[in-house]
Amino acid sequence: NAGVTQTPKFQVLKTGQSMTLQCAQDMNHEYMSWYRQDPGMGLRLIHYSVGAGITDQGEVPNGYNVSRSTTEDFPLRLLSAAPSQTSVYFCASSQNYWTNTEAFFGQGTRLTVV
Amino acid sequence: AQSVTQPDIHITVSEGASLELRCNYSYGATPYLFWYVQSPGQGLQLLLKYFSGDTLVQGIKGFEAEFKRSQSSFNLRKPSVHWSDAAEYFCAVGGTNTGNQFYFGTGTSLTVIP
Repeated sequence: NAGVTQTPKFQVLKTGQSMTLQCAQDMNHEYMSWYRQDPGMGLRLIHYSVGAGITDQGEVPNGYNVSRSTTEDFPLRLLSAAPSQTSVYFCASSQNYWTNTEAFFGQGTRLTVV
Repeated sequence: AQSVTQPDIHITVSEGASLELRCNYSYGATPYLFWYVQSPGQGLQLLLKYFSGDTLVQGIKGFEAEFKRSQSSFNLRKPSVHWSDAAEYFCAVGGTNTGNQFYFGTGTSLTVIP
C-alpha cells in the first residue's frame, strides 16, 4: 500500500538547470496537487489537477509546469531552476475535492538550487 | 479572499499538560477545515477534519477540534500531551468557494518538555 510516492527525496541543481519531480499515487484519486513549503510561510499551492488531462494554477505557479496524462502520475517540472525555488516540495492526492475526503501527502522532495 | 491564520509560531508545553493550538480562517461560506501534523522530515498526516454536522470533531492520537462559526475559529485541543506529539501542526481550509484549492496556515511548532 504505497500511497503517494515522490522521487527524488533530495536534489541539488545548478541555476538554470531543469528537472522533473515525480509524483505517483496508487489510490485512484482524482485530485492531485503540488505544494512548496518554506520556513514561516506554510504550504503554498503550486499547481493542481482535478483529473487526468486537467490542470490548473495555484498560488505560486511561476517557474513550474505540470501535466496529468494518467490518473496515477502528476510530475512537476522546473524549467530553469532559480535559487528562489530552493524549498521542500510536497505532492498530495485525494479522492476528489468536493466530498468528505482527506489528502494524502508524499514524503517530500528537498530541493536546493545553487 | 480565503486565508488561514495560526497566530502561534511556536508553543512549548510540559508532557501531560493540556494543549490548544489556535486557527482562524477567512472564508465566505461554510468551510472545510482540517488539521494536519508533520513530524520532522516527513509528509503531512491528517489529524481531523470538519465538513458539516457536529462542530466538535474527534481525530486520531487523542486530538479534537471545535468549529466556531461566530469566531471563525477551528482550534485544536488535546487534554494530555505526550512527548511524541512534538511536531509541526498545520490548519487548512477549503470549500466550494476556493476554486478547488486548499489554503494552509503557516504552522505551529510544538515542543514537549519532560
